Amino acid sequence: AIRMTQSPSSLSASTGDRVTITCRASQGISSYLAWYQQKPGKAPKLLIYAASTLQSGVPSRFSGSGSGTDFTLTISCLQSEDFATYYCQQYYSYRFTFGPGTKVDIK
Amino acid sequence: QVQLVQSGAEVKKPGASVKVSCKVSGYTLTELSMHWVRQAPGKGLEWMGGFDPEDGETIYAQKFQGRVTMTEDTSTDTAYMELSSLRSEDTAVYYCAAYSNSKNYFDYWGQGTLVTVSS
Repeated sequence: AIRMTQSPSSLSASTGDRVTITCRASQGISSYLAWYQQKPGKAPKLLIYAASTLQSGVPSRFSGSGSGTDFTLTISCLQSEDFATYYCQQYYSYRFTFGPGTKVDIK
Repeated sequence: QVQLVQSGAEVKKPGASVKVSCKVSGYTLTELSMHWVRQAPGKGLEWMGGFDPEDGETIYAQKFQGRVTMTEDTSTDTAYMELSSLRSEDTAVYYCAAYSNSKNYFDYWGQGTLVTVSS
């Protein structure tokens, strides 16, 4: 199975900050990567697919980049509603796998 | 608008089985590829398995092979996930998650079902 890692596992930031989260795949996955946001007690929400395509309705302050094994999710100007946990997911292999998550909390 | 509505919380004893349902509205089940993802308390997301429309088969994560069965009732647009031989480590929120048009990423999620395994 393709193993996904994320860094950092958690970070503290302030509203207005630029935040970058990294996701790495154990083998090349082209651009078959999605990002999700999850808030406590809620189901995950799709933010980005195909590594860099913003899901409809997602604010443009979210962006994704990368291909192959290394990917990033960037929040350009952190808002209060963005404090959450973020997960990457590969879908290059049909045995989908998620990264362990990055928790973004308030500094 | 697609909605996935799951059955309610369950409490089970070790060794028992649990069956969680996920009813689809806004689409028919045949238009979606339905999967199941679980999340243990304080932990990350774990893909359990789902329907591969290209092969027409349900694929399970190796970890759950032999212990999980995912089925669909297209007459009621309801998907089911049954997990057997439950142990305390299976205590988790179980989500159904789906996509259409062979996207392979999940744009539709159920609200989650908490399964607690405790003696």
